[in-house]
Amino acid sequence: KQEVTQIPAALSVPEGENLVLNCSFTDSAIYNLQWFRQDPGKGLTSLLLIQSSQREQTSGRLNASLDKSSGRSTLYIAASQPGDSATYLCAVYGYAGNMLTFGGGTRLMVKP
Amino acid sequence: GAVVSQHPSRVICKSGTSVKIECRSLDFQATTMFWYRQFPKQSLMLMATSNEGSKATYEQGVEKDKFLINHASLTLSTLTVTSAHPEDSSFYICSARENQGTEAFFGQGTRLTVV
Repeated sequence: KQEVTQIPAALSVPEGENLVLNCSFTDSAIYNLQWFRQDPGKGLTSLLLIQSSQREQTSGRLNASLDKSSGRSTLYIAASQPGDSATYLCAVYGYAGNMLTFGGGTRLMVKP
Repeated sequence: GAVVSQHPSRVICKSGTSVKIECRSLDFQATTMFWYRQFPKQSLMLMATSNEGSKATYEQGVEKDKFLINHASLTLSTLTVTSAHPEDSSFYICSARENQGTEAFFGQGTRLTVV
C-alpha cells in the first residue's frame, strides 16, 4: 500500500526566505505526482502536476522536482511571502485504481 | 484548470437527520469522482470512488450504508450522510477526473457540523 510522508509537518520562516518542502512515497510505481495548497477551511488548489516521465515542473516562484527511483519529490518556494502561508499537500497517483494518496501536509507560516 | 463545484460549502444539521452534498464538474464530463474526508489538521482520507452508472467502491472502514454515494450522471455525484451523528462532523471534499490518468480537480469542500 502506498504511503506518502511529508517533512516537515510545520515550518515557520521569515519573509523572503527560499524554502524546500519534502515529500516521500514508498511505492515508486506512480503515474503522476501533484502538489496542492490548502488554505484553512478551504478546498485544494492545484499548484504543480509532474508526470512520471518528468523530472520537474515550474510555475512562477514554485519549482517541484520528482525522483521516482528514490521515491522523493521536493517543492521549492523562492522568495517566500506572507501570502504563501498555507498547508501544502503532496499526492501521488497510483496505477492500481489510479487513486490519489495524500501526504500529511506541511503547514507553512511566512512571517512579515 | 477545470472547475468542480461543491455545494453546500457549510451545513449544520441535527443528530439523526440526513445531509446531501453535491459535487458537479462544470466544464468537463467526469467518469470518476472521489470523496474525501478531512479531520482538523490532518490530511485527506479517501472514502470512496464512484464511477458514473455503477456502484461506488468504498475504502476499508467506511460504512457504505451511512455514506451513500450516487454518481448518476457524468457531471454530478452526491454524498448523503444518513442519520448523522456528531462524530460525522468533518470537512468533506470531492474530486473529479475526466479519464483515468488525467488530472483530478477538487471542489471547495463542505464543512459539516452535526449538533
